[in-house]
Amino acid sequence: DTEVTQTPKHLVMGMTNKKSLKCEQHMGHRAMYWYKQKAKKPPELMFVYSYEKLSINESVPSRFSPECPNSSLLNLHLHALQPEDSALYLCASSHPAEIPLHFGNGTRLTVT
Amino acid sequence: AQSVAQPEDQVNVAEGNPLTVKCTYSVSGNPYLFWYVQYPNRGLQFLLKYITGDNLVKGSYGFEAEFNKSQTSFHLKKPSALVSDSALYFCAVRRLYGNNRLAFGKGNQVVVIP
Repeated sequence: DTEVTQTPKHLVMGMTNKKSLKCEQHMGHRAMYWYKQKAKKPPELMFVYSYEKLSINESVPSRFSPECPNSSLLNLHLHALQPEDSALYLCASSHPAEIPLHFGNGTRLTVT
Repeated sequence: AQSVAQPEDQVNVAEGNPLTVKCTYSVSGNPYLFWYVQYPNRGLQFLLKYITGDNLVKGSYGFEAEFNKSQTSFHLKKPSALVSDSALYFCAVRRLYGNNRLAFGKGNQVVVIP
């Protein structure tokens, strides 16, 4: 089992809904990441938080809003998504200057 | 910028035969190289990494990888494949000293035939 926990495992939402994805780790990592992955494709980096501060935003549309309330938690707030946003959303964590990344099992998001 | 090439889309191998998944990379400076595996409906699972030292790196589940600086390659190998090794494999690279951006290859689907 992974040490990075993501909830929910599955989410179906309409284009007008607001929902949030949650990620939690207790490994003492100070860097946390959101990735988006389409089927059979590599993960695409969305955001990186380092010491609870947003350090990388890969030009992600504003309908995705990340939040890092503390060193163990990472949220991704979703609003007015499009069907093409349907994907597996992966959270990961690491020591800031080190990798490997430790990935959660993801949230499978379907936008209808 | 860094990049990774995984030239094959799918690798088919008979159970018990050696498995090789190819990876070449491009990065300025010294590379930090990784292999990850992804099983269906799961996240990516770290297999092994190369940073410095011995060019042959041993990882989880009997996998190993050989770093070849002159060929800029980091091929993943397993002497005897199992059906349970069937999964999607990603090679990744980042600069040894740099930001936290990993460049992933496109992935290789490995199918181990019983």
